[in-house]
Formats: sequence, C-alpha cells, structure tokens
Amino acid sequence: KNEVEQSPQNLTAQEGEFITINCSYSVGISALHWLQQHPGGGIVSLFMLSSGKKKHGRLIATINIQEKHSSLHITASHPRDSAVYICAYGAGGTSYGKLTFGQGTILTVHP
Amino acid sequence: DVKVTQSSRYLVKRTGEKVFLECVQDMDHENMFWYRQDPGLGLRLIYFSYDVKMKEKGDIPEGYSVSREKKERFSLILESASTNQTSMYLCASRAPNYGYTFGSGTRLTVV
Repeated sequence: KNEVEQSPQNLTAQEGEFITINCSYSVGISALHWLQQHPGGGIVSLFMLSSGKKKHGRLIATINIQEKHSSLHITASHPRDSAVYICAYGAGGTSYGKLTFGQGTILTVHP
Repeated sequence: DVKVTQSSRYLVKRTGEKVFLECVQDMDHENMFWYRQDPGLGLRLIYFSYDVKMKEKGDIPEGYSVSREKKERFSLILESASTNQTSMYLCASRAPNYGYTFGSGTRLTVV
C-alpha cells in the first residue's frame, strides 16, 4: 500500500469548474508538497505547507495535520491547468528533505 | 530565476554501456536528489546528496552510483546500462525549509 494516497486518479472537468484533488498520508510529516507536471515536461513545485492554507493565484492548498489529509483546489479551471498533480511529503528529521510521492492525479480540463 | 539543468533531454544507450546523467543547479543548495519516474510506479528516489562528496542511497540504488565533487553538480552513473533502466530521470535540489526545484528530466532509453 502506498504511503501517500491521492484521489481521484483521473479527473476530467469543463473549463470554469472548481476542482479538488485529495491527498492522504499515514505517517507524521514535516511538510506536504504539491507538484505539477505537464505532459513531457519537468515538475514544478506549487506549494510546500506544514499547516493551514496557502493560496497562489487560482490555486489553493490546505492541510489538516491531525487527519493527515491535504487538498489542492483549482478555482475557475482552464485547459492550461491540464497536467498531472502530485502530492508528496517530507518526513523531516534526518531525511534531508527526501520526498515520498503519491501516484499523481491526471487532470484534463476541456474548453 | 533559479535553475536545475539536466544535460540531456533524450538519450539512447546500448545495454552494457556506462551512462552519465549530469545535473547542475545555480542556487547554492546543499541537498540534491535523483529520482526516476515510471508509469504506474510514480517517482522513486535513487540517491541523494546533502553536501559535497556526501551521498546516501535512496529506495532503488541498485545499478546506480552518484558523484558530487562540487556543490552545484550531482551526477548519476549507470555502471552497466540495462533495459530495465529505461525511464525518465529527474534531478532536484532544495534548500532547508524550502520547496523543491526540479530539472526538466532526461528520458533514457536503453536498447
């Protein structure tokens, strides 16, 4: 069983819809990362958070440490948001920032 | 803008060849990482380095070695390439308490 579970695995939306991607993990963590990967492209770090909520443009990330759960929301989705969204955690301590990754959520936004 | 540069975007090598994948960062980060990404398996850590000449095995180090002679450069070496090492290889770096910066990836095919 993966230590990081993302849902859904695939998500299709119409332009303008509000999108939520969920991430659950099973261990204590130092930080939770949300990453974005476009087809054939490299990976971009969207958020790193250890508590509460962060917002950047139309993207919002939240985390509930007690419930070991995080969500990524996209408001007013656009076709350019189509990508794979990956949740990952860093365990802290002497881990030097190593990440454990979820399998990713493939998002397709249709015009 | 900060950068992690991987020397090759696409690479085709023959079975048994020694392969070098180079990664350079311009951010003076201590921590650097090599991951491979495969369909259905997500991202997996091969090796990481937390300082010059320091290295630690990740989750799947077999068949790989690394070199970090200078802070900005972290090289992944496939000692004798095999077809099961055909994959997307991603380098990343980070400073403590900050998010990751990923390279654009090297898609390696071993024939």
